[in-house]
Amino acid sequence: SQTIHQWPATLVQPVGSPLSLECTVEGTSNPNLYWYRQAAGRGLQLLFYSVGIGQISSEVPQNLSASRPQDRQFILSSKKLLLSDSGFYLCAWSTAVSGNTIYFGEGSWLTVV
Amino acid sequence: SQKIEQNSEALNIQEGKTATLTCNYTNYSPAYLQWYRQDPGRGPVFLLLIRENEKEKRKERLKVTFDTTLKQSLFHITASQPADSATYLCALGAGNNRKLIWGLGTSLAVNP
Repeated sequence: SQTIHQWPATLVQPVGSPLSLECTVEGTSNPNLYWYRQAAGRGLQLLFYSVGIGQISSEVPQNLSASRPQDRQFILSSKKLLLSDSGFYLCAWSTAVSGNTIYFGEGSWLTVV
Repeated sequence: SQKIEQNSEALNIQEGKTATLTCNYTNYSPAYLQWYRQDPGRGPVFLLLIRENEKEKRKERLKVTFDTTLKQSLFHITASQPADSATYLCALGAGNNRKLIWGLGTSLAVNP
């Protein structure tokens, strides 16, 4: 069966520090991968979307970037965090088999102080 | 612009009753609608998907209806249990998963 792992689960980072959140999917090949952010009082916001290795689409302009170095690995990064980057970050996947259903990881709580 | 609305206030019901959550949308013609469950501090979990040509879909104690004329979906949990307490999100889509539009969710509390 397919599983998705996302880490770290929580982190507190100072303003201006770098960020790296990692996500891996197991049990499937060539998944579509997503990074979402869920801020308090706001719906899920799609940040990045990837259909394959090295293929990244950015949905909103922001202080973050994403990379996909391997088929089932998706990384969210920032060179310098802002206070507004605080939130709950979710990695997710879907495939041609799963169709329109998206499967989420457990999430990473980021607090920028 | 496209807009999706869910009950903003938390829903409190007694165990054993049927919980009904609402998802309304405007300025959009979705091909399908999904419902997810999210527990505090966890990622959303997929529950049900219903397509525009389907009126109703069931899964165990869950039932979803989709009225494209009213632009509304209703999500029902029958014989509710305290374990059903969570936030329930609806999401609308039309083809590409990148274009999913998410509601803010409705918090459900089932009291024993």
